[in-house]
Amino acid sequence: DTEVTQTPKHLVMGMTNKKSLKCEQHMGHRAMYWYKQKAKKPPELMFVYSYEKLSINESVPSRFSPECPNSSLLNLHLHALQPEDSALYLCASSRIAGSSYEQYFGPGTRLTVT
Amino acid sequence: ELKVEQNPLFLSMQEGKNYTIYCNYSTTSDRLYWYRQDPGKSLESLFVLLSNGAVKQEGRLMASLDTKARLSTLHITAAVHDLSATYFCAVDLMNRDDKIIFGKGTRLHILP
Repeated sequence: DTEVTQTPKHLVMGMTNKKSLKCEQHMGHRAMYWYKQKAKKPPELMFVYSYEKLSINESVPSRFSPECPNSSLLNLHLHALQPEDSALYLCASSRIAGSSYEQYFGPGTRLTVT
Repeated sequence: ELKVEQNPLFLSMQEGKNYTIYCNYSTTSDRLYWYRQDPGKSLESLFVLLSNGAVKQEGRLMASLDTKARLSTLHITAAVHDLSATYFCAVDLMNRDDKIIFGKGTRLHILP
């Protein structure tokens, strides 16, 4: 199983809503990532979890709150987002962070903030 | 700070032609990845290059890595329409950090 799954596929939320994005992998990977991708741009790294601990936060606003409940799951909690946060949010995993193993990407969640 | 530059950023080419996408990076690294992204879709891993002189081929695509020149190439042979997509290279910081740095991507449009 070389699959990273993400739910939901699409999400529309108002600026006062609270929602969560979910990511799951069962490849035994110990590194998981959140990226944000705007149209026609490369993915921008947001967070890295290594062995279920947050190892990188790329100065992401606090309205984005990551959580890694266990080695297979990664959540991104959203609160009080702005319209400019509308983007494709990609989750990825790799065998170990900082190693020679490629990152496997999930299908993404298309987020629209109204 | 590591910089990753791809060129061209946009390429329109005829089916049957050959072309090369270039990926230059600014610091030492022996690990580089190529990804493909179709419109509205996620990233698909194409190649993992882990050493100087590494060359990998899959179908009409061939990737190579020259770590001394800090250059990777993605060569397309006899292009077909199905290869139309955006191609990203990404450079691994190799234990200096738990992340990879993406180039801006090359939007490839192959005309039938």
